[in-house]
Amino acid sequence: SQQGEEDPQALSIQEGENATMNCSYKTSINNLQWYRQNSGRGLVHLILIRSNEREKHSGRLRVTLDTSKKSSSLLITASRAADTASYFCATGNYNQGGKLIFGQGTELSVKP
Amino acid sequence: EAQVTQNPRYLITVTGKKLTVTCSQNMNHEYMSWYRQDPGLGLRQIYYSMNVEVTDKGDVPEGYKVSRKEKRNFPLILESPSPNQTSLYFCASNGGAADTQYFGPGTRLTVL
Repeated sequence: SQQGEEDPQALSIQEGENATMNCSYKTSINNLQWYRQNSGRGLVHLILIRSNEREKHSGRLRVTLDTSKKSSSLLITASRAADTASYFCATGNYNQGGKLIFGQGTELSVKP
Repeated sequence: EAQVTQNPRYLITVTGKKLTVTCSQNMNHEYMSWYRQDPGLGLRQIYYSMNVEVTDKGDVPEGYKVSRKEKRNFPLILESPSPNQTSLYFCASNGGAADTQYFGPGTRLTVL
């Protein structure tokens, strides 16, 4: 079953703007990860945030995690046309055999 | 170069003709997984493996088989493919439970 619910399903912005994507989940987690997928290609890991962390940065990416609300957000600042892709959150729980459960993704389009 | 490879990348077959999609990783990872990706349904896990000879069902295991006889290989077997197994398939590996996953390039399967 899909644990992650992502919002919005699709997002269209202009180059230079910020893009925010949200992810909600249902059960307890040990970490939450964000992945990026260019059309039809394999997913690429972007960032991992552990359940005891609240915020993490990597370049133009900022991830927040609120375990009390069971939600996370991914912010991409100063977006570029090359950021156009689908973005997925995935939750990890050591008690579930180490498997990750992926959300359905947000399709981001950045117009030049 | 650390990578996950899948073969074939594209496959068109007919109903009932057994096929195998191979997956191999060179990172000495313990964990390996198979996913299918369908429009509107996101990424769904088919099977995963926590080590050699240790496998478990994911969310959509019906119609698929796997084996893990060697640490680096995790083939996906469709004994009698049906049209509803037409999909984009991804293999992934990770070094630890709920750790970052590394994805293969995908196999696009069409069952006529």
